[in-house]
Amino acid sequence: AQSVTQLGSHVSVSEGALVLLRCNYSSSVPPYLFWYVQYPNQGLQLLLKYTTGATLVKGINGFEAEFKKSETSFHLTKPSAHMSDAAEYFCAVRGTGTSGSRLTFGEGTQLTVNP
Amino acid sequence: DGGITQSPKYLFRKEGQNVTLSCEQNLNHDAMYWYRQDPGQGLRLIYYSQIVNDFQKGDIAEGYSVSREKKESFPLTVTSAQKNPTAFYLCASSNRDGPYEQYFGPGTRLTVT
Repeated sequence: AQSVTQLGSHVSVSEGALVLLRCNYSSSVPPYLFWYVQYPNQGLQLLLKYTTGATLVKGINGFEAEFKKSETSFHLTKPSAHMSDAAEYFCAVRGTGTSGSRLTFGEGTQLTVNP
Repeated sequence: DGGITQSPKYLFRKEGQNVTLSCEQNLNHDAMYWYRQDPGQGLRLIYYSQIVNDFQKGDIAEGYSVSREKKESFPLTVTSAQKNPTAFYLCASSNRDGPYEQYFGPGTRLTVT
């Protein structure tokens, strides 16, 4: 079975500061990994994904994430936070086998950006 | 534009009534999903379907029912048996055989009083 742990349900940064949102996963097979963003009262939007190949993946809005197999991590970063980055962020993992195409989501991290 | 539509955006019902939430996609995806979202609890999978006329229970299927008669449509019925139906409901779709990223609709906020 797959699982996802997002460390820190709330993260607060100043505008212009580094954003680091942590995600650790467990999977018995090489995983597919995703980060999504959700603004209030809206659906989730895909930020980036890792499937195979390059372990550093770049996404939209200046975000990137690095897949580290040895640490079973897929942390999301952005060098300089903007006020518009304030939202909830979800990490997700897809395993293989009988789970089919379903994803397992973390519980989310609420990002606050202070002026 | 391709995407997923959910209607209505807000829905109000009296306790004891069944209510059906609509989800339509024009992305030609085989797989569709329903999630429930409560404050501070992330997303919980209710039902999913990987092909027309077939669906599987997710983690919290009790009190819900679905159908998948068309590839484009995956309606969710919240029955009177669901003890706490007030929540934000999200529909998503994806390719069944990869890539597996899910695309989400805008959500329906259901309030039952």
